[in-house]
Order: sequence, then structure tokens, then C-alpha cells
Amino acid sequence: DIVMTQSPDSLAVSLGERATINCKSSQSVLYSYNSKNYLAWYQKKPGQPPKLLIYWASTRESGVPDRFSGSGSGTDFTLTISSLQAEDVAVYYCQQYSTIPRTFGQGTKLEIK
Amino acid sequence: EVHLVETGGGLVQPGGSLRLSCAASGFTVSNYYMSWVRQAPGKGLEWVSVMYSGGSTYYADSVKGRFTISRDISKNTLYFQMNSLRAEDTAVYYCARGRTLDGGDYFDYWGQGTLVTVSS
Repeated sequence: DIVMTQSPDSLAVSLGERATINCKSSQSVLYSYNSKNYLAWYQKKPGQPPKLLIYWASTRESGVPDRFSGSGSGTDFTLTISSLQAEDVAVYYCQQYSTIPRTFGQGTKLEIK
Repeated sequence: EVHLVETGGGLVQPGGSLRLSCAASGFTVSNYYMSWVRQAPGKGLEWVSVMYSGGSTYYADSVKGRFTISRDISKNTLYFQMNSLRAEDTAVYYCARGRTLDGGDYFDYWGQGTLVTVSS
């Protein structure tokens, strides 16, 4: 199984500042035949289902604000929120979809400083 | 518009059974990879099972042999039969659609979830 490890476990950032969440996979999720990284990011708020933010490691889902961006390749990935807004308070998860079982990171709790 | 609605959760004793349903609208379940993902209280997200469009099924080791994913094409509904339930199966269970059409299986639509509580 591919183990997804996020860092940090929690993060407090001031409004308007940058937030950066890291995700590391225990093996590469990059498929050479199509040069795609099978990595997604989700936002989870209490009482709501997860919301897809980023797929293919760096493609923003339709309707997601452009302050959210994803980067990285192979085994190391980053979710960046360029200017934190109050509504961004949530838990963020990375997930690999290259192999079965699909696996999520443990989550990073993002709060306002 | 795509909608997923889960039903069937509730309180069950250890060793008991439940069947969850996920009614889909706005798309055809059999054309997509459909998964069940759960979140135990205070814990993170855990993928549990997937049914591919072709009918193949896969399970997390934690539920293999106890849970069964299936679908009814005529009802456009995904099911999750859960047997031999344990306390550690207590969680909110979400059905989720994989955006299969571009070759991926990231989850673009989720239901609101249904709570399963296993307790005596």
C-alpha cells in the first residue's frame, strides 16, 4: 500500500497570508506513460462531505478559487493557499489514486492565527 | 446536476449487518468508478471499496470478506452490504464518484454521508 504522509498535522496562518501543506507518498504516483501524477487534494469542513480542490497534482477543479494551487511530482507534493480567507478553515487531505487501495494522508488542520 | 444521496445508516450491535444505499442522479452509476469512503469520529478519511464501471470490485483489507459493494443499474443506485460489523466500523460513510472519464479516479462528487454506529 502507498502511505501518504502530510505535514504539518496542524497549521495556523494569519488572514491574507500564505498557507503551505505538504504531502509525501511512500512510492511514486507518477505514471511515465502519460506523465501524470495521480494525486488529489480535498477540503473537509465539519458536517460537510469532502470537496475536491486539485487533481492530477496541479489541476484546479472548476469553481475552486485561484488562491488554491497544487504542485509537485513523483513523491512530493504541496498545496498552497496564497492568501488565506476565513472560509478556508478546514482539514485538508491529499489522496493517491494510482493504485488500490486508494489512500489518504492523515489530514492537516488549518486554522486562523 | 449530479447528486448522491446515501441512506441506510443507523445503530447496530456488534456482529450485526446493515445495507447502505447511494442513489445517484444526473449521471449513470455504471459508467463510473464508484467508491465508499468513511470517516470515523475524530479521524481522517479512509477509502473502503470501489466498483469499477466494468463491474470489478476492490476492498480495503479492513473490510475484505465482511463488506460487499454492488449496484442496481435499473435504479442507478450503489449499495454497500456490511456484515459482521465491529465497533471500529463506526463512521460516517460517504459514496463518491470517481471522475473516470479522464482516466483518473479522484472523487469529484460526494454524498452527504450516512452515520453507522456499531455499539451494544
